[in-house]
Amino acid sequence: AQSVTQLGSHVSVSEGALVLLRCNYSSSVPPYLFWYVQYPNQGLQLLLKYTSAATLVKGINGFEAEFKKSETSFHLTKPSAHMSDAAEYFCAVTSTGGGNKLTFGTGTQLKVEL
Amino acid sequence: DAGVTQSPTHLIKTRGQHVTLRCSPISGHKSVSWYQQVLGQGPQFIFQYYEKEERGRGNFPDRFSARQFPNYSSELNVNALLLGDSALYLCASSSQGSSFGYTFGSGTRLTVV
Repeated sequence: AQSVTQLGSHVSVSEGALVLLRCNYSSSVPPYLFWYVQYPNQGLQLLLKYTSAATLVKGINGFEAEFKKSETSFHLTKPSAHMSDAAEYFCAVTSTGGGNKLTFGTGTQLKVEL
Repeated sequence: DAGVTQSPTHLIKTRGQHVTLRCSPISGHKSVSWYQQVLGQGPQFIFQYYEKEERGRGNFPDRFSARQFPNYSSELNVNALLLGDSALYLCASSSQGSSFGYTFGSGTRLTVV
């Protein structure tokens, strides 16, 4: 079985500060990992994905994530937060075996303050 | 190109009723998945269909069913609605397997009263 754990259900940063959202995964097979963002009353938008190529993955809106197998982590970062980054962020995992489903974490609500 | 489209966007049903939710995938995408997102939680997998065949089923009761049509659009049906079925139902489409990622629609907000 696969799972992801997102540490911190709420994260608050100042505008211009570093954003760090944590995600740890559990998988018995090489995983595919994803970060999605959800704005209020909307669906999920893919930020970036890791599919066993480069361990440092760059996504949209200046976000990036690094796959660290030794730490079973896939943390999401952005050097400088913007007010428009305020949203809920979900980490998700599926498997390289043609997994049929995404397993999501419980989400992290990011608040950006002036 | 149109993204994943879902209809209706909102609906209110009474306990015990039946509901049908619809999804049109991105053109060329043959895989459609359904997820339930209860307020304050991450989405939970319900079904995946590929080329009209069920390829995966989550831990949901038999009251939930789905199908995929020749044009790759899909319906999710829920019978005998319970208050706990109130949620955002998300449809996602994918072109080729999980490694390509899934594109989600904006969802259908179902409220059961």
